[in-house]
Amino acid sequence: GQQVMQIPQYQHVQEGEDFTTYCNSSTTLSNIQWYKQRPGGHPVFLIQLVKSGEVKKQKRLTFQFGEAKKNSSLHITATQTTDVGTYFCAGSNTGKLIFGQGTTLQVKP
Amino acid sequence: DAGVTQSPTHLIKTRGQQVTLRCSPKSGHDTVSWYQQALGQGPQFIFQYYEEEERQRGNFPDRFSGHQFPNYSSELNVNALLLGDSALYLCASRGRGETEAFFGQGTRLTVV
Repeated sequence: GQQVMQIPQYQHVQEGEDFTTYCNSSTTLSNIQWYKQRPGGHPVFLIQLVKSGEVKKQKRLTFQFGEAKKNSSLHITATQTTDVGTYFCAGSNTGKLIFGQGTTLQVKP
Repeated sequence: DAGVTQSPTHLIKTRGQQVTLRCSPKSGHDTVSWYQQALGQGPQFIFQYYEEEERQRGNFPDRFSGHQFPNYSSELNVNALLLGDSALYLCASRGRGETEAFFGQGTRLTVV
């Protein structure tokens, strides 16, 4: 079946450093979504990418969708302590979301 | 707007028992999906309901069943609980034609 892999599993950074998480799907996706889950919380939608090669920005966050629509990345510039949490990518083909295992970001002040 | 609400927030059950979890979707949303999230893992798709019917199902055994009511709220039932069913159960809703999913705060199920 379809699988979505994310790396790295964990990332510890000093506040102000950049952070990137990568997502790869075993199959071509119709779209990819990114979610953030704070410790003890639930996933919160961040963004959806649909077009091949699409790049979207939200303040310090930059999201990319690969040309083949099988991979994606999330880059955070100059991390802050409020960025702490687990970032999930989720591939969608038929309406159901297939989540990666997430990348947990820790930020040292 | 209350968003997606789930009940109960926490639950402890014994192996072999049955459990029912409940979800009220965000106002205006008609599609409800259920996910199981084990500790340290990403959410795994259980099934999706639309117009009171199960439309898609993930790789979960028949012990997992659900229902959607005319008001779009939904229930997840798990029979013959196993220790491995301990997880956070998340409900997500979305509106017709929309792709963004709104998640509830989840029900933390512990099977002992």
